Amino acid sequence: EVQLQESGPGLVKPSQSLSLTCSVTGYSITSNYWGWIRKFPGNKMEWMGYISYSGSTSYNPSLKSRISITRDTSKNQFFLQLNSVTTEDTATYYCARYRYGGSLDYWGQGVMVTVSS
Amino acid sequence: DIQMTQSPSFLSASVGDRVTINCKASQNINKYLDWYQQKLGEAPKLLIYNTNSLHTGIPSRFSGSGSGTDFTLTISSLQPEDVATYFCLQHNSGWTFGGGTKLELK
Repeated sequence: EVQLQESGPGLVKPSQSLSLTCSVTGYSITSNYWGWIRKFPGNKMEWMGYISYSGSTSYNPSLKSRISITRDTSKNQFFLQLNSVTTEDTATYYCARYRYGGSLDYWGQGVMVTVSS
Repeated sequence: DIQMTQSPSFLSASVGDRVTINCKASQNINKYLDWYQQKLGEAPKLLIYNTNSLHTGIPSRFSGSGSGTDFTLTISSLQPEDVATYFCLQHNSGWTFGGGTKLELK
């Protein structure tokens, strides 16, 4: 069974970087696409970006200057880094797998990140 | 950018009721519309992909319909375990989410 689990600090100071890890079990990240989504307080959701089976990436244009998604295939993990965070980046962050065609067929439970001094 | 307008944002229904939730896209998204269910504290779960294809393991009381800009999720006979928030996602051009529908039992 494919399982994803997010991990990382729950509190980040403004202007610092947010770094999260998604650990995947039951499936290799060298297949399919893998990405990050966030849900803001108030429940608006935003697609952030993905990393492909080959390591190529695509990002939401609204985040393009601040976001980086990378991976460690030896650990079957992929990562999110979001730079220069503000309080507007306070959200629950989810990692997910893309099935062929673009749907998100497996998700992690999410990790809540608060940006506050 | 494609905007997704989901309605209603809140829905109260009784066990056995037929429930419908709608999503409207700001432009044609062909068939590339999914429906997800999220229960409190759990990971979102894919229910329906590409408008009307039932994801593996999802009960047949869930169905999807629509095309172009207007899409509907239908629960044919509401069960207590269906209490959750439902949201749509278009992936025809990028990925954009609907605002969500919180479904409660009456």
